[in-house]
Amino acid sequence: AQKVTQAQTEISVVEKEDVTLDCVYETRDTTYYLFWYKQPPSGELVFLIRRNSFDEQNEISGRYSWNFQKSTSSFNFTITASQVVDSAVYFCALSEAVNTDKLIFGTGTRLQVFP
Amino acid sequence: DAGITQSPRYKITETGRQVTLMCHQTWSHSYMFWYRQDLGHGLRLIYYSAAADITDKGEVPDGYVVSRSKTENFPLTLESATRSQTSVYFCATSFADTQYFGPGTRLTVL
Repeated sequence: AQKVTQAQTEISVVEKEDVTLDCVYETRDTTYYLFWYKQPPSGELVFLIRRNSFDEQNEISGRYSWNFQKSTSSFNFTITASQVVDSAVYFCALSEAVNTDKLIFGTGTRLQVFP
Repeated sequence: DAGITQSPRYKITETGRQVTLMCHQTWSHSYMFWYRQDLGHGLRLIYYSAAADITDKGEVPDGYVVSRSKTENFPLTLESATRSQTSVYFCATSFADTQYFGPGTRLTVL
């Protein structure tokens, strides 16, 4: 069965600190997709990244980076030099290639960045 | 380019009443989804639709009804609202194996 675990319920940091949000997943499929979404205080869900299971290259986008490790079934998200605008709830999600319309979400990590 | 719109954005209703949440997309994507978001549960899939007139149950379908007569619209109906259906509801569409979400509807059932 598919499952996504975000063990960190809430993280608080001070601006300019680096912070890593953990995501651990379970799936029996060999082909799958992993996602991160951001939900700022305004409430909308913003797509950040999609990674397929065949691509283990880490990705960097500005201050955001993602570390995908199949060996540990993890897809962690790091924000470098955090800013107050990064304050949000971040969701990790998984879908299997055979059924990409079934997106399984973790319970989310609330990140608070204080000035 | 509105993408996905949901209406109403906020709704307060009473137990036992019928409520319909609307979802409209401007992209003509085949797949559409309804999720509910509750504290401690993340987002859970209620129903989804692969095309007009094709719908299927998700993880938590009980108490909800959907229809999809047109590709661009995917309404969600609570036939007899209960307090446990107080939640934030998100509609989404799928493109290139990625789901994109509407702004959400906050529903309170008193």
